[in-house]
Amino acid sequence: AQSVTQPDIHITVSEGASLELRCNYSYGATPYLFWYVQSPGQGLQLLLKYFSGDTLVQGIKGFEAEFKRSQSSFNLRKPSVHWSDAAEYFCAVGAGTGTASKLTFGTGTRLQVTL
Amino acid sequence: GAVVSQHPSWVICKSGTSVKIECRSLDFQATTMFWYRQFPKQSLMLMATSNEGSKATYEQGVEKDKFLINHASLTLSTLTVTSAHPEDSSFYICSANSGKGVETQYFGPGTRLLVL
Repeated sequence: AQSVTQPDIHITVSEGASLELRCNYSYGATPYLFWYVQSPGQGLQLLLKYFSGDTLVQGIKGFEAEFKRSQSSFNLRKPSVHWSDAAEYFCAVGAGTGTASKLTFGTGTRLQVTL
Repeated sequence: GAVVSQHPSWVICKSGTSVKIECRSLDFQATTMFWYRQFPKQSLMLMATSNEGSKATYEQGVEKDKFLINHASLTLSTLTVTSAHPEDSSFYICSANSGKGVETQYFGPGTRLLVL
């Protein structure tokens, strides 16, 4: 079965600083990887996804993520954080054949941005 | 595009009553919908997978008689929490995709349930 580990429960960065959120996955085949963001009391918004091809994926809001098969990682990065980026970030791995993918989520990383 | 709505956004009910939550795909047909549960400051846990016109598939440990799922059309799935108890209080989130292989799930805004 697939699993996702987000080692950092809580991260605090200053506005304008760079950000990297870690995600490690476990899956027997080529994974389908996602990063979602959740603001308090809200649903999830897709930031970016990786299915195949270029291992550096660009997403919305200036985020990017790099798939590294050798490290089983899919870390999320942003060069300059804005105060509005403060939220909960979830990495997820999808698995499924022929039908819709079942997502397994990590435990999330709460990002706090200081001004 | 790819908008998923949920109704209601929040609900308070008395213990022992049943509550129905609707999940709709507004601009696409969703052959598959998923129901998740999220406790405060925790991750999303998949409860069940709902396929249009067939019975839902429940994850291990989820009581199918307590959490009734009906996927009556290609744009609507409902989750009914039967005989709700305070421990059922949670944030329920649905997601949907068109079921054409592995692809992006689009999430609804969630429904907060409080059982008194």
